[in-house]
Amino acid sequence: GESVGLHLPTLSVQEGDNSIINCAYSNSASDYFIWYKQESGKGPQFIIDIRSNMDKRQGQRVTVLLNKTVKHLSLQIAATQPGDSAVYFCAATNVRYIFGTGTRLKVLA
Amino acid sequence: DADVTQTPRNRITKTGKRIMLECSQTKGHDRMYWYRQDPGLGLQLIYYSFDVKDINKGEISDGYSVSRQAQAKFSLSLESAIPNQTALYFCATSDLANEQFFGPGTRLTVL
Repeated sequence: GESVGLHLPTLSVQEGDNSIINCAYSNSASDYFIWYKQESGKGPQFIIDIRSNMDKRQGQRVTVLLNKTVKHLSLQIAATQPGDSAVYFCAATNVRYIFGTGTRLKVLA
Repeated sequence: DADVTQTPRNRITKTGKRIMLECSQTKGHDRMYWYRQDPGLGLQLIYYSFDVKDINKGEISDGYSVSRQAQAKFSLSLESAIPNQTALYFCATSDLANEQFFGPGTRLTVL
């Protein structure tokens, strides 16, 4: 069946450095991709999205890159801050949303 | 005020009890979803609804049922709760094929 996987369960980054979180998806028909941030005890929050007709999209301090050839998605966070500590997961959708398991980002002071 | 609300936020119940989780949204979205989240697993879709009279099974619908009483309300029921239904439950809404907005979650423990 369809799947979405994240490459690392945990990522530790020094405050101020850039973070890169990766995601792979299996369904080549997926046409919309989303990155979510989930803090402890809270529901997932939208960070940034990208449609399959794009390779890159930038937001405030975040960039999503999409490589449809290898079915890979990445989230880049610039100048990582303590408030960025959370679990990040991607979702891919064609009709249904398929979610990855999440990467826990730890920001080291 | 939150766009997507869930009640209760926490619930402890016993095996065999009937439980209902409620979800309300003020976003005006037609599409609503129920997911469960377990440690180490991605969100798993239980049921979804694209309109008031529309109900669709997700990946893990066994043991659950839903009711879409109005555009703004989508409730999830466990007819006879069992311990392996202990999990974090999320309701979400979306507008067509766009981002989903999630509620704060309901932590359910079945003893």
